[in-house]
Amino acid sequence: ETGVTQTPRHLVMGMTNKKSLKCEQHLGHNAMYWYKQSAKKPLELMFVYNFKEQTENNSVPSRFSPECPNSSHLFLHLHTLQPEDSALYLCASSRAGEETQYFGPGTRLLVL
Amino acid sequence: SQQGEEDPQALSIQEGENATMNCSYKTSINNLQWYRQNSGRGLVHLILIRSNEREKHSGRLRVTLDTSKKSSSLLITASRAADTASYFCATDRNTGNQFYFGTGTSLTVIP
Repeated sequence: ETGVTQTPRHLVMGMTNKKSLKCEQHLGHNAMYWYKQSAKKPLELMFVYNFKEQTENNSVPSRFSPECPNSSHLFLHLHTLQPEDSALYLCASSRAGEETQYFGPGTRLLVL
Repeated sequence: SQQGEEDPQALSIQEGENATMNCSYKTSINNLQWYRQNSGRGLVHLILIRSNEREKHSGRLRVTLDTSKKSSSLLITASRAADTASYFCATDRNTGNQFYFGTGTSLTVIP
């Protein structure tokens, strides 16, 4: 285990549903990330939080809404998703100024 | 794009053989990392090499970096079935703690 947990591990939702993904890190890190991993595509960086402040939003559609209440927790709120949003969503954390990122196991999302 | 691209996309070898994967990138970097991902799981950091380093070792892993060719290679020696996974290179974006990842090399080690 890397010290980064994600829940749920699997999620099936309809296009009109609202759900949230949760990420928690127990490593004392102060930077957290959301990535999207689709088949045959490079890992896509979605959001970056440094010291609870969002510092990057890579043109992610507004149907994805991140929340970082403290340095240990990161959420991704989902609403009115599309089938093409089905993917593995990975959370990661790191110490500020350090390059190594620690990833959680991911949430496998299926949008019907 | 600036992201690293791994080659080959898939590699299948017998246990005990060596596995070599390559990564190419397009712009200058400060460092390059290699990660491993077991099927459907998160990525695990393997090794980081800085732009002023040419070679680095960690156990059965050997990473080289050629900044003139903008390429890196990951060598896994004496492979084991447990090495079966996807391997990704990540290059820094020169914007702090953000990186470009490629599509990965899928390695299968046959017992």
